[in-house]
Amino acid sequence: DTEVTQTPKHLVMGMTNKKSLKCEQHMGHRAMYWYKQKAKKPPELMFVYSYEKLSINESVPSRFSPECPNSSLLNLHLHALQPEDSALYLCASSAPGGGGLYNEQFFGPGTRLTVL
Amino acid sequence: QKEVEQNSGPLSVPEGAIASLNCTYSDRVSQSFFWYRQYSGKSPELIMSIYSNGDKEDGRFTAQLNKASQYVSLLIRDSQPSDSATYLCALPPGSARQLTFGSGTQLTVLP
Repeated sequence: DTEVTQTPKHLVMGMTNKKSLKCEQHMGHRAMYWYKQKAKKPPELMFVYSYEKLSINESVPSRFSPECPNSSLLNLHLHALQPEDSALYLCASSAPGGGGLYNEQFFGPGTRLTVL
Repeated sequence: QKEVEQNSGPLSVPEGAIASLNCTYSDRVSQSFFWYRQYSGKSPELIMSIYSNGDKEDGRFTAQLNKASQYVSLLIRDSQPSDSATYLCALPPGSARQLTFGSGTQLTVLP
């Protein structure tokens, strides 16, 4: 089952709201990622979790808070977002491996976020 | 120099033609290279992975890797209108786990 699922598909929130994005995979992958993608741009890495530990935070503002409750789940908690945070938020996962040879990442369908 | 340079297009080819997409990269340590296809409004879909110099074929798709010249390309033979999408090349910088993406090439296959 090569599938990463994300909920919700669409989210509209105000700048004072708190919401969460959810991602799930059942491929036994031990690395999970959050990306942000603006229109006509490539995905931009936000966070990397490796074996449920945060290994990379690409200087993302604190209004984005990731969480990895277990090896299958990844959350992104949102609070006090700005309109410029409107984007497609993508979750991805990859198998463990070394030497850079096993980094095939599989993406979920994404959550389209609009901040009003 | 950006880590991954991709001919940004847009690229238009007639149906049945060969579409050629190219990327160059700066990190000589990179060992893995990937091509993703992204339809408008959808998420990236992995279509090819290549790790060794030379060609790798999968159906109508051929990935080519030349580590000495630091380029990777994707050929799409017998292009179909359903191939119209943005194609992203990606590689992990060095031995890192995350991917660096090229800017993407928007391909349109004209019926």
